[in-house]
Amino acid sequence: GQQLNQSPQSMFIQEGEDVSMNCTSSSIFNTWLWYKQDPGEGPVLLIALYKAGELTSNGRLTAQFGITRKDSFLNISASIPSDVGIYFCAGQRNTGNQFYFGTGTSLTVIP
Amino acid sequence: GAVVSQHPSWVICKSGTSVKIECRSLDFQATTMFWYRQFPKQSLMLMATSNEGSKATYEQGVEKDKFLINHASLTLSTLTVTSAHPEDSSFYICSAYDVGKNQPQHFGDGTRLSIL
Repeated sequence: GQQLNQSPQSMFIQEGEDVSMNCTSSSIFNTWLWYKQDPGEGPVLLIALYKAGELTSNGRLTAQFGITRKDSFLNISASIPSDVGIYFCAGQRNTGNQFYFGTGTSLTVIP
Repeated sequence: GAVVSQHPSWVICKSGTSVKIECRSLDFQATTMFWYRQFPKQSLMLMATSNEGSKATYEQGVEKDKFLINHASLTLSTLTVTSAHPEDSSFYICSAYDVGKNQPQHFGDGTRLSIL
């Protein structure tokens, strides 16, 4: 199956710092999603993006759907210890079609 | 919000055993369910797409006779790992999706399968 490339692969930051991660693909997607996964659990949806150029916020999280429809980024402001986890992007080409996941970004927040 | 329940959460069994994993959408009708496999420190890899009342669509490289999928109702899909071997040990996660509402897929909490 296809994968989306995420960067960075891992991040170690101090509590209170802002975080930025992105996701790129060689293919166009019509929906981009961002998920957070804690160890041993399923992913939890953070933000969903449906239109090219769309910028959406959810609390301290902000994500944007790239204009080319081949990329997306996620920003986390003022990080806190509970932000620790693995963040995945996911793309869908058309409604009802499969979702494909990015390679993941592991975030560690140092108190 | 939408809830997806996966059962069991952890299975340990002997090589050669067949294992069934259930995925249920508890408060919505899931026209489509997806099955993923995740190895430690890796991403989720889509195994198959399960549509209610029809045969599952498998991703390239996934053996359909090894991983049997049944989606008999709008709230239940099952994945059966037949004659499981140690290399089948992994974290299996399902997600459910209501195509009619075009809402994001919701994930179960996963099943950790360990084959001895």
